[in-house]
Amino acid sequence: AQSVTQLGSHVSVSEGALVLLRCNYSSSVPPYLFWYVQYPNQGLQLLLKYTTGATLVKGINGFEAEFKKSETSFHLTKPSAHMSDAAEYFCAVSSPGTYKYIFGTGTRLKVLA
Amino acid sequence: EAQVTQNPRYLITVTGKKLTVTCSQNMNHEYMSWYRQDPGLGLRQIYYSMNVEVTDKGDVPEGYKVSRKEKRNFPLILESPSPNQTSLYFCASTTPGGTEAFFGQGTRLTVV
Repeated sequence: AQSVTQLGSHVSVSEGALVLLRCNYSSSVPPYLFWYVQYPNQGLQLLLKYTTGATLVKGINGFEAEFKKSETSFHLTKPSAHMSDAAEYFCAVSSPGTYKYIFGTGTRLKVLA
Repeated sequence: EAQVTQNPRYLITVTGKKLTVTCSQNMNHEYMSWYRQDPGLGLRQIYYSMNVEVTDKGDVPEGYKVSRKEKRNFPLILESPSPNQTSLYFCASTTPGGTEAFFGQGTRLTVV
């Protein structure tokens, strides 16, 4: 069975500081990995995804994540936080061809002025 | 523009009164699904559909029904809602191979 663990339900960073949101997964087959962002009163928007190929994945709004198979991790980073990054972030795992996404419990990011 | 449309966005209802949340996608995807989002639990799959007339239970199907009579539509039915179904619901439509899921804007349901 697949699972996702997001460390830290709430993370606070200062504007301009590094953003690091942690995600570890469990999967018996090579996974598909995703980060979604949810702004208040909105749906989920795909930030980035890893399916195959390059393990360092760049997404929208300056975010990136690196698939590390040996560490079973897919941490999300952004060099410099902006106030508009305040939102809830979800990591998800899936398997090729299965379509079902398993989500983590989410990390709420707060950006301090 | 690729879109998943859910209606209504907000709904307050009373225990036992049947309701339907509609979902429509314009991407011609075969796979669609429903999730509920609860604080501290993330998103959990309720039901999914691999194609027209093909549906199956997800992880938390109790108290819900679905139908898939057309490829674009996948309504969620609560025949006798209860307060523990108060939640934020999302419909999703997924690309072939499962490489990306597109989500609707969500329906916030309150059952009193």
